[in-house]
Amino acid sequence: GAGVSQSPSNKVTEKGKDVELRCDPISGHTALYWYRQSLGQGLEFLIYFQGNSAPDKSGLPSDRFSAERTGGSVSTLTIQRTQQEDSAVYLCASSLVPDKANFGSGTRLTVV
Amino acid sequence: GDSVTQMEGPVTLSEEAFLTINCTYTATGYPSLFWYVQYPGEGLQLLLKATKADDKGSNKGFEATYRKETTSFHLEKGSVQVSDSAVYFCALSDQTGFQKLVFGTGTRLLVSP
Repeated sequence: GAGVSQSPSNKVTEKGKDVELRCDPISGHTALYWYRQSLGQGLEFLIYFQGNSAPDKSGLPSDRFSAERTGGSVSTLTIQRTQQEDSAVYLCASSLVPDKANFGSGTRLTVV
Repeated sequence: GDSVTQMEGPVTLSEEAFLTINCTYTATGYPSLFWYVQYPGEGLQLLLKATKADDKGSNKGFEATYRKETTSFHLEKGSVQVSDSAVYFCALSDQTGFQKLVFGTGTRLLVSP
């Protein structure tokens, strides 16, 4: 497709379980970002990847959160031992040039 | 660190009313400034941007001017429509690396016929 694709669109998980969220960026985009949108909150930066450089992980809220980007394309955000406060919409974005990030529709994560 | 503050919502207007959503920022250096919009059930879309002081971004009748002296980037539209109902996010990009975006908390706009 032409846009950023995220899967699943919705995920309900039990507290303490691990979850994986997937992002397929636009082909050829070298930069990939993960953000979190909690109820009543703005968009919180989590992590970004730029080409082969070391990722900027400065926004990850705890060591339960990690992300990979394989082959400079698909990215997976993993949350271990999920907690209720992890419930949010997780957004992925990619870009080829600065100042032009394209966002996916997000994964809504609910931890029960 | 860099931050963005925007007015709390919801903002409720009648169709054809004038809209202003305030946004101020704190940043080192000279960030680029953005407004993103999220329509119900859809992903974030870039609405407009400005990359340097005194630049005006515009799109779909919306405008915002980069004011360095007041560190502001207020969003305006002269006559809103019901279809403008959405959540609007002000954001800045830092000037390091590939410029990750820092967002405000969002302002919900509700336009009634």
